Amino acid sequence: DVKVTQSSRYLVKRTGEKVFLECVQDMDHENMFWYRQDPGLGLRLIYFSYDVKMKEKGDIPEGYSVSREKKERFSLILESASTNQTSMYLCASSLVTSGYNEQFFGPGTRLTVL
Amino acid sequence: SQQGEEDPQALSIQEGENATMNCSYKTSINNLQWYRQNSGRGLVHLILIRSNEREKHSGRLRVTLDTSKKSSSLLITASRAADTASYFCATDAGSNTGKLIFGQGTTLQVKP
Repeated sequence: DVKVTQSSRYLVKRTGEKVFLECVQDMDHENMFWYRQDPGLGLRLIYFSYDVKMKEKGDIPEGYSVSREKKERFSLILESASTNQTSMYLCASSLVTSGYNEQFFGPGTRLTVL
Repeated sequence: SQQGEEDPQALSIQEGENATMNCSYKTSINNLQWYRQNSGRGLVHLILIRSNEREKHSGRLRVTLDTSKKSSSLLITASRAADTASYFCATDAGSNTGKLIFGQGTTLQVKP
């Protein structure tokens, strides 16, 4: 079974701190994604990566950056955390298979920025 | 921008009843997928229906797709308390990047 793990389930940080959220998948998937989920807004795509060192902005990239140095690992970075980045962060991965691109999700990281 | 919009936003039924959730989208798609999310957890893929398919079944799940109306429905038959969760539709608009656009979800409560 595909397994996607995220480094923390809960995280509390202070405004202005640099925050790293790590995601690791064990199924050799090409694609990896970072979403944030807020009540009433559903899942919004922050960044995604379709290959090592490749990244593309999603719908809400402002205030975030990403790093993909190895195929299995995709990191989300909050350069200077702000209170409006308090949210649930979800990582996902998928194969590049035309017409069948089911995404596998990690358990999520609930980030609180004080 | 939201591609999938789901209806209703919340649904409460008794165990044993059927639950129907609807999803509408705006652009043409390669496929449409349904996911389930238990409270505070990640999403789990339930079923995928391709644009050239009209209906698909998986256990107690039945998904329909009407590309002329740009809509899909998810039917859960004989619901159980364990089906209590949020359900999301997601569309693949064919960008070949694997990108999906998720709806806002329907929260289903099944009362025992």
